[in-house]
Amino acid sequence: DAGVTQSPTHLIKTRGQQVTLRCSPKSGHDTVSWYQQALGQGPQFIFQYYEEEERQRGNFPDRFSGHQYPNYSSELNVNALLLGDSALYLCASSLDRGAQYFGPGTRLTVL
Amino acid sequence: SQQGEEDPQALSIQEGENATMNCSYKTSINNLQWYRQNSGRGLVHLILIRSNEREKHSGRLRVTLDTSKKSSSLLITASRAADTASYFCATVISGYSTLTFGKGTMLLVSP
Repeated sequence: DAGVTQSPTHLIKTRGQQVTLRCSPKSGHDTVSWYQQALGQGPQFIFQYYEEEERQRGNFPDRFSGHQYPNYSSELNVNALLLGDSALYLCASSLDRGAQYFGPGTRLTVL
Repeated sequence: SQQGEEDPQALSIQEGENATMNCSYKTSINNLQWYRQNSGRGLVHLILIRSNEREKHSGRLRVTLDTSKKSSSLLITASRAADTASYFCATVISGYSTLTFGKGTMLLVSP
């Protein structure tokens, strides 16, 4: 049974560019949450998708957007990248509001 | 924003010793969860304790929750080198499912 997978593993972008990160949830899960973890900090909640709709959103600007597909996979898009967007981006899946299982993360570096 | 604050920020012990980490939070919660993270990668769920529970065990882990003091502790007994990781507490507020993390405790277990 595959767990949560994320792609790519690492990504390097320059300021002003746009990036798309992808997440496949654990089998049987229908909810995907995204978190940003800066170096030395705990993860911070970006948003959560359920039934292809954004159900909840954290304190992140509109430059951060997402999507959930009918197969429950999800994307995180970040526009107009800033140096401060450099972080580990974590995806977590769950069955509705149940326990969240995390993927290995995508390390984004903005130069 | 960070809901929980772990204490200490870093802990260094010898194999076989017990490790205790504390977490304080600010608002009323539905449950509190502890996660482990190795080398800045994905988070592994360790244990969940609900607001109406005071203590919970899982293998070598013991978690306590004091809702009157808004605090929790994680005890790892008979530590092993493989326990070396960062440990985070995360709270869930009633009516929501998103996790709010603290900054974590870095645990180093030396052989």
